[in-house]
Amino acid sequence: KAGVTQTPRYLIKTRGQQVTLSCSPISGHRSVSWYQQTPGQGLQFLFEYFSETQRNKGNFPGRFSGRQFSNSRSEMNVSTLELGDSALYLCASSPGQGFLSTEAFFGQGTRLTVV
Amino acid sequence: SQQGEEDPQALSIQEGENATMNCSYKTSINNLQWYRQNSGRGLVHLILIRSNEREKHSGRLRVTLDTSKKSSSLLITASRAADTASYFCATVSNSGYSTLTFGKGTMLLVSP
Repeated sequence: KAGVTQTPRYLIKTRGQQVTLSCSPISGHRSVSWYQQTPGQGLQFLFEYFSETQRNKGNFPGRFSGRQFSNSRSEMNVSTLELGDSALYLCASSPGQGFLSTEAFFGQGTRLTVV
Repeated sequence: SQQGEEDPQALSIQEGENATMNCSYKTSINNLQWYRQNSGRGLVHLILIRSNEREKHSGRLRVTLDTSKKSSSLLITASRAADTASYFCATVSNSGYSTLTFGKGTMLLVSP
């Protein structure tokens, strides 16, 4: 079974631009969660999607948005990029909603650098 | 916001030694999970321990959970250089949405 695939692996963007990151979950997994990882704040939850619906959202500004498609693939978008958005963005998939009975399967992440 | 706090922040040991990492959390949990992350890459799941369990083993890994103290520990026995990585605990709450809330991690360096 293929793992979670995140594209692109690396991105360099300029302040003020927008960016779209993609995540393809493990086949059969219907839930996708996104996390931002920075040296200062650690791993912060962004949002979770299940069956194309956003179930939960972390404490991030409205510049961060996402969506999930009918094939469970997910995208997240960050508009009006700021230097502080530089981070490793991780996507995790699971078979069902949340993690009450299962672990998260993570992709390799997208390293975003804002200059 | 961080739920778990790992201790120590960094740990340096020799191959063959045991490594113990601790995690404390604040709220009632459904389960607690440990993950490993090699430098700048994705996280790999190690063990999930439920709130009604006290200890779990997986190969060279042993995890304990003390819900009365809201703490967990991860023991890696007979460490190898390949165990060099960051280790994170993550909690899943009993209330609200069942997302993972991570601590800041312990960076483990195992020297040959």
